Amino acid sequence: DQQVKQNSPSLSVQEGRISILNCDYTNSMFDYFLWYKKYPAEGPTFLISISSIKDKNEDGRFTVFLNKSAKHLSLHIVPSQPGDSAVYFCAASGSGSARQLTFGSGTQLTVLP
Amino acid sequence: DTAVSQTPKYLVTQMGNDKSIKCEQNLGHDTMYWYKQDSKKFLKIMFSYNNKELIINETVPNRFSPKSPDKAHLNLHINSLELGDSAVYFCASSEGLAGLPNTGELFFGEGSRLTVL
Repeated sequence: DQQVKQNSPSLSVQEGRISILNCDYTNSMFDYFLWYKKYPAEGPTFLISISSIKDKNEDGRFTVFLNKSAKHLSLHIVPSQPGDSAVYFCAASGSGSARQLTFGSGTQLTVLP
Repeated sequence: DTAVSQTPKYLVTQMGNDKSIKCEQNLGHDTMYWYKQDSKKFLKIMFSYNNKELIINETVPNRFSPKSPDKAHLNLHINSLELGDSAVYFCASSEGLAGLPNTGELFFGEGSRLTVL
């Protein structure tokens, strides 16, 4: 039973355009959400996070949107750059039994020059 | 200077063998983890140690035994390797417990790809 789902295994976007990566979750106890970025042969690195008390968090070209009623979050990258090509993991945590971080399966983003 | 380092990066071995993966962090973090990335690419927590004490032990076969000689090291020993153990194993550390805002950011090692033949 996967509590964090990234249904798109891959996404290709033209350089300069917007990349939108999606993530759905099922556990209503989740209250903190993160995105990690992973390059080949490297470990994941933290990118951006959002608490459930917010619906948007922005950091430079990266914005995360949270829709609690839909149990959905998305990561927007604008403008996309070739260096953004990587696997993006969505992760979530919450209170009680949901405290440990639960990861999705990742989305491979390819930004075409 | 690598923050979280794990060795070896690649490991190819036969079924039934015993192998170890070592992990060290120089970030001064109190909490360390082992994650497994399986064939479906999910990153799943296996173990978590806080100051050398086991705090999370997911449903992992007892062939897997973590050992933390000090808070900067968390090694993973696997007995009687099976084909299904083939995966990439990531070590990670965090200041506080993973998933907590601010202090829960995970710092990952580069991963160790284990192939069991």
